Amino acid sequence: AQRVTQPEKLLSVFKGAPVELKCNYSYSGSPELFWYVQYSRQRLQLLLRHISRESIKGFTADLNKGETSFHLKKPFAQEEDSAMYYCALRTGAGNMLTFGGGTRLMVKP
Amino acid sequence: NAGVTQTPKFRILKIGQSMTLQCTQDMNHNYMYWYRQDPGMGLKLIYYSVGAGITDKGEVPNGYNVSRSTTEDFPLRLELAAPSQTSVYFCASSYDPGQRNEKLFFGSGTQLSVL
Repeated sequence: AQRVTQPEKLLSVFKGAPVELKCNYSYSGSPELFWYVQYSRQRLQLLLRHISRESIKGFTADLNKGETSFHLKKPFAQEEDSAMYYCALRTGAGNMLTFGGGTRLMVKP
Repeated sequence: NAGVTQTPKFRILKIGQSMTLQCTQDMNHNYMYWYRQDPGMGLKLIYYSVGAGITDKGEVPNGYNVSRSTTEDFPLRLELAAPSQTSVYFCASSYDPGQRNEKLFFGSGTQLSVL
């Protein structure tokens, strides 16, 4: 069965420091990976998806099939990046999303 | 567009009571989902629907029921509330998740406590 693991429940960094939120997955097929974000008092929303290979708000994520990882990175964290981040895996069966446990990112001034 | 609207935002139930969590979307999305979010556990899929009249179980369906009589509405029913159902519930929708650029639109959540 598919599984998404985010090993860090909380990640605290100072403004301007690099950030890496870890995500590992297990799935035997061809995965589609996403990062969703929930800012304070806002709804959960899509941040980026691996197939687009895009940079959103300075964040990037590369799918590493060998390590089954999809870590989210940003070279210089900003205070407004403080939020809850969820990694999600979409599998071919029913196109359902499986979410990781989430990582709370706190960027201190 | 209002997007995905969930009501109520908060609710406290006694063990054994029943209630319905309402979810409606105005984006003409085919797919709708109910997730529950337990602390540190991520979101788990309860039920989903691929269109009006069609529903299917997700990962954690026990203790819940759903219906999809219209495209817009996807209510979640708890018949006999139990403390294990204390959680935050999210409704979400998408047009067609199989399409390349699709994404989920989420409601603001319902915080439910069963005491």
